Amino acid sequence: EAGVTQSPTHLIKTRGQQATLRCSPISGHTSVYWYQQALGLGLQFLLWYDEGEERNRGNFPPRFSGRQFPNYSSELNVNALELEDSALYLCASSFRDRGHSPLHFGNGTRLTVT
Amino acid sequence: RKEVEQDPGPFNVPEGATVAFNCTYSNSASQSFFWYRQDCRKEPKLLMSVYSSGNEDGRFTAQLNRASQYISLLIRDSKLSDSATYLCVVTRNTGGFKTIFGAGTRLFVKA
Repeated sequence: EAGVTQSPTHLIKTRGQQATLRCSPISGHTSVYWYQQALGLGLQFLLWYDEGEERNRGNFPPRFSGRQFPNYSSELNVNALELEDSALYLCASSFRDRGHSPLHFGNGTRLTVT
Repeated sequence: RKEVEQDPGPFNVPEGATVAFNCTYSNSASQSFFWYRQDCRKEPKLLMSVYSSGNEDGRFTAQLNRASQYISLLIRDSKLSDSATYLCVVTRNTGGFKTIFGAGTRLFVKA
């Protein structure tokens, strides 16, 4: 069974640019979650998508946005990049069972903003 | 106060030691509980789910005490490869569904 896949693995952008990160969930999973993890810090919840709709978002500015496609894959877009956006961005997927099954994470996209 | 709190660590133990991690959660409506491990600069990986009856997977034992709102993870006969950060994870479906990660406890196992 293929796991959660994320692309690209690494992304280098300059301040003010836009970044697009992609995620494909495990087959059969309809929920996709995005987390940000800055170096040495814990996971910060960004967004949750389920059945194509945004269900919840964390305490991040509107320049962090995303969407989920009909095949349940997802994109995370970060506009007007700032230096502090440099982090590991993790995507996770799960069944649509409101938390009874665990999240499975992809390898992440390491975003560097210079 | 954070909704999920873990021992701050780090824990430094010799190979073969038994180590226990503790986690408390504040919302009594929490419904599911998990332990993850995260290696440096890698993604978190599910270690085990935690059930009310307690569960064991090889050298790892997880326990849940709903009355005390407390979760534990016991690692017996520690290996060098157990060195990682251990994350306590709690889900709930009140006030909107949420998955809450603890800050993690770092474990160093030394030869």
